[in-house]
Amino acid sequence: DTEVTQTPKHLVMGMTNKKSLKCEQHMGHRAMYWYKQKAKKPPELMFVYSYEKLSINESVPSRFSPECPNSSLLNLHLHALQPEDSALYLCASSRDGTGGTEAFFGQGTRLTVV
Amino acid sequence: LAKTTQPISMDSYEGQEVNITCSHNNIATNDYITWYQQFPSQGPRFIIQGYKTKVTNEVASLFIPADRKSSTLSLPRVSLSDTAVYYCLVGEGTFSGGYNKLIFGAGTRLAVHP
Repeated sequence: DTEVTQTPKHLVMGMTNKKSLKCEQHMGHRAMYWYKQKAKKPPELMFVYSYEKLSINESVPSRFSPECPNSSLLNLHLHALQPEDSALYLCASSRDGTGGTEAFFGQGTRLTVV
Repeated sequence: LAKTTQPISMDSYEGQEVNITCSHNNIATNDYITWYQQFPSQGPRFIIQGYKTKVTNEVASLFIPADRKSSTLSLPRVSLSDTAVYYCLVGEGTFSGGYNKLIFGAGTRLAVHP
């Protein structure tokens, strides 16, 4: 199984809502990532978890709150978002850093904030 | 992290060989070079990775000169389905922190025409 599964595929939320994005992988990878991608732009790194611990936070606003409950799951909790946060949110995973930079990406969650 | 520079866009025709060059002048000794492909509204997909000289797999070849300050992704006999954005990433293959900090540059938008 070389898949990274993200749910939901699409999400529309109001600025006062609280929602969560989910990501799951069963490849035994110990590094997991959240990216944000706007149209016609490259993916921007948001967070990196390594061995279930937050290793990198790329100065992401606190309205985005990541969580790694176990080695297979990664969540992104959303609260009080702005319309400019509308984007494709991508999750990825990779091995523990000893084998190169091959990462597996999910299909993403298309988020629209209204 | 080494900064990468690629052409913004390229055009080709079905059946031709396409070469996309990436410049990474300040590549570090431990850095690997990795290429990803991304279709619209999908997550990036790993294509190929190398450290030096030439690497070939079933979909592409990667040429890296001795000074490693650039690399060229070669796609043989492209088809319409190869129309996508191609990203060159440079980063550590072995990272004691247990993850790889994958930073995407602007990428090259390849359009394959009939």
